[in-house]
Amino acid sequence: DAGITQSPRHKVTETGTPVTLRCHQTENHRYMYWYRQDPGHGLRLIHYSYGVKDTDKGEVSDGYSVSRSKTEDFLLTLESATSSQTSVYFCAISESEGLGNQPQHFGDGTRLSIL
Amino acid sequence: DAKTTQPTSMDCAEGRAANLPCNHSTISGNEYVYWYRQIHSQGPQYIIHGLKNNETNEMASLIITEDRKSSTLILPHATLRDTAVYYCIVRPLDSGGYQKVTFGTGTKLQVIP
Repeated sequence: DAGITQSPRHKVTETGTPVTLRCHQTENHRYMYWYRQDPGHGLRLIHYSYGVKDTDKGEVSDGYSVSRSKTEDFLLTLESATSSQTSVYFCAISESEGLGNQPQHFGDGTRLSIL
Repeated sequence: DAKTTQPTSMDCAEGRAANLPCNHSTISGNEYVYWYRQIHSQGPQYIIHGLKNNETNEMASLIITEDRKSSTLILPHATLRDTAVYYCIVRPLDSGGYQKVTFGTGTKLQVIP
């Protein structure tokens, strides 16, 4: 299995509080991704990173920010959490960006509940 | 990306081969067929992928028809731990940007003792 660790695995917090989720990889892969998974919507990309300090928006980036100061760590921050951000969040990594011949590997997810 | 169609659910007896079909009739020449699965409460797990030729790894075999419009994932000896939702996805060789992975509704495979 790919060496991907997400933390925390579960979190409950209140509306309006800041939340940071961490994704740590031991594979030295260049690309890292944050997705959220909700019933009826499947997996949706929030942000991705193509290198240290290089990030870009995905399809549902509003309300989220990311940072990548080291190859192995990719942080997802909810600046002021809202109930609509209650979801399961998955981190993924891949060796390359454009080649369809390289799979993405996923972490086990963080279950986030915002009350 | 090409659209995929999979049966909603399937059952398979433990120890038998599980054959999961996928239709991707609009696939283009530069698109790979990927299979992932998601076991309850876990992240999606990569299984196998292929372009034109049949592929086999330690988890499964992938059979792609000659016209590439459909494929079949084969789990040769299904176990209870193979109970999961299986997703068939097509992705281009060069996405020109981020590798967006679009999961459809998948096939819920139930392995029965």
